[in-house]
Amino acid sequence: KNEVEQSPQNLTAQEGEFITINCSYSVGISALHWLQQHPGGGIVSLFMLSSGKKKHGRLIATINIQEKHSSLHITASHPRDSAVYICAVEGGADGLTFGKGTHLIIQP
Amino acid sequence: GAVVSQHPSRVICKSGTSVKIECRSLDFQATTMFWYRQFPKKSLMLMATSNEGSKATYEQGVEKDKFLINHASLTLSTLTVTSAHPEDSSFYICSAPKGGGLFGTDTQYFGPGTRLTVL
Repeated sequence: KNEVEQSPQNLTAQEGEFITINCSYSVGISALHWLQQHPGGGIVSLFMLSSGKKKHGRLIATINIQEKHSSLHITASHPRDSAVYICAVEGGADGLTFGKGTHLIIQP
Repeated sequence: GAVVSQHPSRVICKSGTSVKIECRSLDFQATTMFWYRQFPKKSLMLMATSNEGSKATYEQGVEKDKFLINHASLTLSTLTVTSAHPEDSSFYICSAPKGGGLFGTDTQYFGPGTRLTVL
């Protein structure tokens, strides 16, 4: 079974800072997802990656298949980016394996 | 830590039949649960929010009559796929929030998912 580790677990930053959240996994995968959860709400899917890099607005996600590692970056962070960010990987018959999430707070 | 279970983990059914998927919070109560669907090679999609004691809230584009949701108790929500069709084949995941998370937020706990194949 794949083991997914995210870091940091908690992050507080000032508005405008560049944010990086990391995700590593133990077994080869077919795809990796970055998800966003706002307090009390459901999940919003941000990216699905199988290789390379994707960008959407101020969000950038990268994946290195050889190193089994992915990063989620937020440029020019804003208080509305405050949320829990979850990495999830898929591959084989196990379905999705989720990381425990990174709690991000952006202070004005 | 909190645990959310789903049953069954895999199900294969014939076209036209109905399939029920259960989502249970094993060691905490959840007045709200969420149901997601993952299409092949695509990311997760929130289908609906299940509310204990009231009607579920469906996302735009999700057919209420096809995907029946019942939040029977504070620890159980069910998703019934009615008159299943091959295009309903997918991976269905539930999650339940548990309070007491850091910064006063809920922590979302996910079920392991159910693989539905409709023949």
